[in-house]
Amino acid sequence: DAGVIQSPRHEVTEMGQEVTLRCKPISGHNSLFWYRQTMMRGLELLIYFNNNVPIDDSGMPEDRFSAKMPNASFSTLKIQPSEPRDSAVYFCASSLSTASPQHFGDGTRLSIL
Amino acid sequence: GQQLNQSPQSMFIQEGEDVSMNCTSSSIFNTWLWYKQEPGEGPVLLIALYKAGELTSNGRLTAQFGITRKDSFLNISASIPSDVGIYFCAGHEGGSQGNLIFGKGTKLSVKP
Repeated sequence: DAGVIQSPRHEVTEMGQEVTLRCKPISGHNSLFWYRQTMMRGLELLIYFNNNVPIDDSGMPEDRFSAKMPNASFSTLKIQPSEPRDSAVYFCASSLSTASPQHFGDGTRLSIL
Repeated sequence: GQQLNQSPQSMFIQEGEDVSMNCTSSSIFNTWLWYKQEPGEGPVLLIALYKAGELTSNGRLTAQFGITRKDSFLNISASIPSDVGIYFCAGHEGGSQGNLIFGKGTKLSVKP
């Protein structure tokens, strides 16, 4: 069975550029989560959706970050404009419901120069 | 916000030894989860616990949901080199839904 699929796996771009990260959740999962992982802060929840509706975006750092889930099989996390401090590994995870165990993709390693 | 205290931060052990790590919280949790992360990959779910006192095994891994619902333990028996990685505990607080709280991880190194 396909797990959570994220693209790209790596992204290197210059500050000020727009960055779009993509996620395809596991088929049948109703909840989708975006995390950021850094050495200093560990895994941080940015935002999560249930049935394609954003439920909690309190973890989104600032207005430069936005996320959408236009349908049950696709979500994007966008950073515009990007800054060097946004460099991190961004993970997408999905679960059957909000309280079910979450399954993670392999992440996007983002470097902003 | 709520933090999970996970210990130890790192462990260096000899192949064949048993390993034990734990997580504690200041509030009650409804669910405890244990994940393993290897370099360049996302966390992989190892064990999920749903009830206080529950003891669950997955091969050489055994995890327990503490009676107080404020802690959980993960044991690995007879470690092997492929056990190397970072182990994370995570849980849902009582009354919360999607907000899965993670510990800082235990980095395990196994010497052949």
